[in-house]
Amino acid sequence: NAGVTQTPKFQVLKTGQSMTLQCAQDMNHEYMSWYRQDPGMGLRLIHYSVGAGITDQGEVPNGYNVSRSTTEDFPLRLLSAAPSQTSVYFCASSYAPGLRSYEQYFGPGTRLTVT
Amino acid sequence: AQSVTQLDSQVPVFEEAPVELRCNYSSSVSVYLFWYVQYPNQGLQLLLKYLSGSTLVKGINGFEAEFNKSQTSFHLRKPSVHISDTAEYFCACHYGKLTFGQGTILTVHP
Repeated sequence: NAGVTQTPKFQVLKTGQSMTLQCAQDMNHEYMSWYRQDPGMGLRLIHYSVGAGITDQGEVPNGYNVSRSTTEDFPLRLLSAAPSQTSVYFCASSYAPGLRSYEQYFGPGTRLTVT
Repeated sequence: AQSVTQLDSQVPVFEEAPVELRCNYSSSVSVYLFWYVQYPNQGLQLLLKYLSGSTLVKGINGFEAEFNKSQTSFHLRKPSVHISDTAEYFCACHYGKLTFGQGTILTVHP
């Protein structure tokens, strides 16, 4: 199993540009999430999905969109990049609560810089 | 809503010394608790978890944590650290969603 994969690893955007961060998992997990990591703030939940076709907002959803058309993929779209979105983005997946151990599996991250 | 507070942002320690990384959570209901480790330029990896049962939980790499319901704490300990333990450690609690603390950078000096 490849686990959770993310592309690209690094990205530089200009203010106002849009882009999509890709995330895929091959573990048949129902739950998938996007976090951003900023120094001194831990990881903050952006959006999450409990299954294909179902998404919901997390703690910091503004400026981001998600969709979940398949179990495997959960892309994160930046609609109009802003310098405040400079961060490291992590995708994670897990089994649904109650079925397994709640452990989340994380991808290697995408380091995004917005100038 | 639950929240997680890691009481130390940085913990420097010498090799082979014991270490404790402190974590407090706030929740009015039962939660599940986790410690994750992040090595430089990598993703997060699960160190250990408390779901139920024994309050002393053993994880990978010789780490352990103790769940204390009355003090709403889940401190991480290791009796003797190595240089390779240098990393950032995150405490997290799960009740519906996973909420992370701010992180503690552990630096092990030779």
